[in-house]
Amino acid sequence: DVKVTQSSRYLVKRTGEKVFLECVQDMDHENMFWYRQDPGLGLRLIYFSYDVKMKEKGDIPEGYSVSREKKERFSLILESASTNQTSMYLCASRATGGVSEAFFGQGTRLTVV
Amino acid sequence: GDSVTQMEGPVTLSEEACLTINCTYTATGYPSLFWYVQYPGEGLQLLLKATKADDKGSNKGFEATYRKETTSFHLEKGSVQVSDSAVYFCALRINSGNTPLVFGKGTRLSVIA
Repeated sequence: DVKVTQSSRYLVKRTGEKVFLECVQDMDHENMFWYRQDPGLGLRLIYFSYDVKMKEKGDIPEGYSVSREKKERFSLILESASTNQTSMYLCASRATGGVSEAFFGQGTRLTVV
Repeated sequence: GDSVTQMEGPVTLSEEACLTINCTYTATGYPSLFWYVQYPGEGLQLLLKATKADDKGSNKGFEATYRKETTSFHLEKGSVQVSDSAVYFCALRINSGNTPLVFGKGTRLSVIA
């Protein structure tokens, strides 16, 4: 079974903390993505990466950074967590070429208090 | 920019009722179109897709037809079940390079017995 695994299902952090959300895929996909999901706003793209050490800003990159040191792992970093970053975070991966399907992890529900 | 508009929910139906969730899109290039489904507590999974005009995607009794003339990709099912209760997302991706998926805001469907 193909898999995208996010390290935590639920996370509670304090305002100002540095937060790492980890995502690992086992499909040798070139492309990986981080979205946040909020009620009434749907999924919004934070960052994506199409290769190791490459990254592109999505629609809402402010307050976030990413790291992709290995092909299978894509990390989302909240440099200084704030309450407005309380959300569901979804990681996805997809192969390059054709109309390939994106596979999603189960999500990390982050609460910043 | 590229965007997807889908009907707002929530939608509540009785078992065996007909379902239509409207989806229209705006795209700068030639997109592929997708419907993703999110069951409670899970990540997104691909439900169906269509890659060119007049294509019909189908899966699990759901269907959607790529209508270029009306820029639409409405999701339909003739007889819904309680197990179809989920959030449904319409999405597009421009068929060029490593472009990410662009999602609509999602439509929550509740089916009652």
